[in-house]
Amino acid sequence: GQQVMQIPQYQHVQEGEDFTTYCNSSTTLSNIQWYKQRPGGHPVFLIQLVKSGEVKKQKRLTFQFGEAKKNSSLHITATQTTDVGTYFCAGGDGSQGNLIFGKGTKLSVKP
Amino acid sequence: NAGVTQTPKFQVLKTGQSMTLQCAQDMNHEYMSWYRQDPGMGLRLIHYSVGAGITDQGEVPNGYNVSRSTTEDFPLRLLSAAPSQTSVYFCASSFQAGAPAPLHFGNGTRLTVT
Repeated sequence: GQQVMQIPQYQHVQEGEDFTTYCNSSTTLSNIQWYKQRPGGHPVFLIQLVKSGEVKKQKRLTFQFGEAKKNSSLHITATQTTDVGTYFCAGGDGSQGNLIFGKGTKLSVKP
Repeated sequence: NAGVTQTPKFQVLKTGQSMTLQCAQDMNHEYMSWYRQDPGMGLRLIHYSVGAGITDQGEVPNGYNVSRSTTEDFPLRLLSAAPSQTSVYFCASSFQAGAPAPLHFGNGTRLTVT
């Protein structure tokens, strides 16, 4: 079945350093979504990418969708302690609106 | 607007017991789903519904039943709890089925089966 792989599983950074997490799918995705889950919380929607090669920015966060619509990345510039949490990518399987989630990248930020 | 409401927040069951996890949304969303989250496994889809009266299986449906008698409610039933069902369960909804749309998650139910 369709799989969405996400790396790295963990990332520890010093505050102010950059952070990137990568997402790869075994099949072409209809869309890719990114979520953030704070410790003890629930996933919260960040952004959705639909078009091949699409790039979107939210303040210090930059999201990219690959040309083949099989990969995506989330880059955070100059991390802050408020960025701590687990970041999940989720790929649309093109039917019914179901999302296949990656296993997430857990980000810790040392002040 | 409460969004997606899940009850209970915590539950402890003994092996073989049954229970229902409740999920309700007040956003008139068409699509509703249940995920389980286990350490290192991400979020895995259990069951989903694209509208009242319509349900279907996700990636890990065994041991769970769902129903969607109204647009608002989507309960998840554990028929005979097993320790392997110890997990955090999230209900999520989106406004449109069959199309890319953000998922709105509830706060989760932390279930322990002993």
